[in-house]
Amino acid sequence: EVQLVQSGAEVKKPGESLKISCKGSGYSFTSYWIGWVRQMPGKGLEWMGIIYPGDSDTRYSPSFQGQVTISADKSISTAYLQWSSLKASDTAMYYCVRSPTEIAVADYWGQGTLVTVSS
Amino acid sequence: NFMLTQPHSVSESPGKTVTISCTRSSGSIASNYVQWYQQRPGSSPTTVIYEDNQRPSGVPDRFSGSIDSSSNSASLTISGLKTEDEADYYCQSYDSSNCWVFGGGTKLTVL
Repeated sequence: EVQLVQSGAEVKKPGESLKISCKGSGYSFTSYWIGWVRQMPGKGLEWMGIIYPGDSDTRYSPSFQGQVTISADKSISTAYLQWSSLKASDTAMYYCVRSPTEIAVADYWGQGTLVTVSS
Repeated sequence: NFMLTQPHSVSESPGKTVTISCTRSSGSIASNYVQWYQQRPGSSPTTVIYEDNQRPSGVPDRFSGSIDSSSNSASLTISGLKTEDEADYYCQSYDSSNCWVFGGGTKLTVL
């Protein structure tokens, strides 16, 4: 069974750093892309970027380029989304998704990680 | 880049048929596949249609997708509405830089 299991909810202060994770199982982790999608409270879905764990080829949405870093450790089948300095506006639910190619359907979604940034 | 515009909300009665549109602002809707995702309250999204009109296994055939080049839009049609279909629905496609583009979402109320 394909699963994407994300790390738990986080509460952080502005200016702090954060790295959340997404562990894939039930499939060949290096053969599929892993993307990240943001959903701010009460709002819609926004694509942040995507990585191919097989060779770490990474793409970013222009809206998120320079704001976050996407990475992956194929040895433990885990992808990451990290911030070096959080802002209150980063408060959102973050989903990881699996995709067969860079531009294909998000066929599996993680359960989401809620990030709350508040002073 | 382009935008995908969806109606903010639609409502229909159980047993009826509803269609949700997704209009591409520039470029041809047929240029890149369109996907549709369902998000029930408090849950992660799931795929109901991919590659314009393909249904993942497990999605009932009450769900269908299509594209219309004349209106430059994609549509998700749900027939035989059930209360369990009440959810937010998002269309999604890709731009020329291979960036994913999501529509703003449509809240479906089944009443």
